[in-house]
Order: sequence, then structure tokens, then C-alpha cells
Amino acid sequence: AQKITQTQPGMFVQEKEAVTLDCTYDTSDPSYGLFWYKQPSSGEMIFLIYQGSYDQQNATEGRYSLNFQKARKSANLVISASQLGDSAMYFCAMREGPDNYGQNFVFGPGTRLSVLP
Amino acid sequence: GAVVSQHPSRVICKSGTSVKIECRSLDFQATTMFWYRQFPKKSLMLMATSNEGSKATYEQGVEKDKFLINHASLTLSTLTVTSAHPEDSSFYICSARATSDSFSETQYFGPGTRLLVL
Repeated sequence: AQKITQTQPGMFVQEKEAVTLDCTYDTSDPSYGLFWYKQPSSGEMIFLIYQGSYDQQNATEGRYSLNFQKARKSANLVISASQLGDSAMYFCAMREGPDNYGQNFVFGPGTRLSVLP
Repeated sequence: GAVVSQHPSRVICKSGTSVKIECRSLDFQATTMFWYRQFPKKSLMLMATSNEGSKATYEQGVEKDKFLINHASLTLSTLTVTSAHPEDSSFYICSARATSDSFSETQYFGPGTRLLVL
């Protein structure tokens, strides 16, 4: 079974509008972390936001917020006020186990976001 | 979905020794493989891109003599950290893609290798 599922291979959004990128995960480990990365055409992986499994509140970082629904095992990324520079590939990832252990890093297949002017 | 494995998952070595990390695509042929290094604050830095049968393309600031990358077959790429030092301690992740076309092919990531240099 897939550990990380991103059901949207491609998404389009109008500039200045908000967009939600879906991510669902599967783990039996009570301690895990969820990440979102942005990958522009250059290939680098830019860290956007992190949510720990024990965090009580949804993570926010500027225009990025993570809609963490633990019971549903979903960790959707919300980008508010989309900009043309947001056009990129977005990967959802999960680290199973405590942070200092660092193993079992799993990535989803990614969602390609295109922001339209 | 496609599977990419890395070996070893964790390695501890003494300063000055060399360490080899393997990245394998288990059920597809990977024309292109990427190596990343995870830094504090969770960012992943692209170290190099390798295409099967040709020399790796290193990102600016990455020492190619320090981080030797070999992509000898369509299912295996290796990263060798030569004369490792404590500052090389990090989490290294590889990924693989079936083609060189970044717009049409999914990139699959390995589980990562944690390197600790004493």
C-alpha cells in the first residue's frame, strides 16, 4: 500500500487565488512528521512546512498552511494568494519515527501546480 | 508504485574513512538519479544529478572529488563520501526518474541514509 498518496498529478490555479494540494498518509507509528517540499525546475527541494504528529495546532508558514486531519490521516497544503513563482512540483513526505532517528522517509508522487496569470 | 531503495539505512564511520551509499531502482530503469542532502530546518539540498553512463552534474558548491557519484547501470547509483569528516554527517536521500524529461515522469525517492562521522 502507498504510504503517501497525492491524488492530484496536476493542478491549475489563478494568480492571487488560494489552492489546496491533497496529501493522505498511512502509518501505524504514533510518532511521525509530515513535510511539504516545493521543487522548481532547477531540481532543488525547498522545504515549506512541517507538522509533527503530536502537534496540537495546524502548522503555518507565511502563505503556506497545513490542514492536518489526524483521524483522516490527511495533511493538505494550502497556499493562499498564489503567485506565478509558486508554479512547481510539490511533494508531500512523511518521516516515521522520532525526529532524531530520521529513518523511513517516504515521499508522495508529487503534484504539479501551475499558476495562471 | 515504483520502489527506490538505499543501502545502508544508517552508517557510523570514523573520520577520514570513505563511505559508499547505494541507491537502487527496484522495478524500473532509472535514466536519471538525484542525490540530496538534508540540512537543518529540514531543507533538502540537491547535490548532483546523474544520467546513466555519463558523468554526474554537480550543483554549485558541492565538491565532486569529495562526493563521488557513479551511475553505472540503469538501476544503481552510488554516492561515495571520501575522507569523511564530522561535518559530512547528515541524511542523504536519492531519487530516480525513468526519463530525463522532468515534465513527464514521476520522481521516486529512496528512504534515505543517515551518516554519522565520528
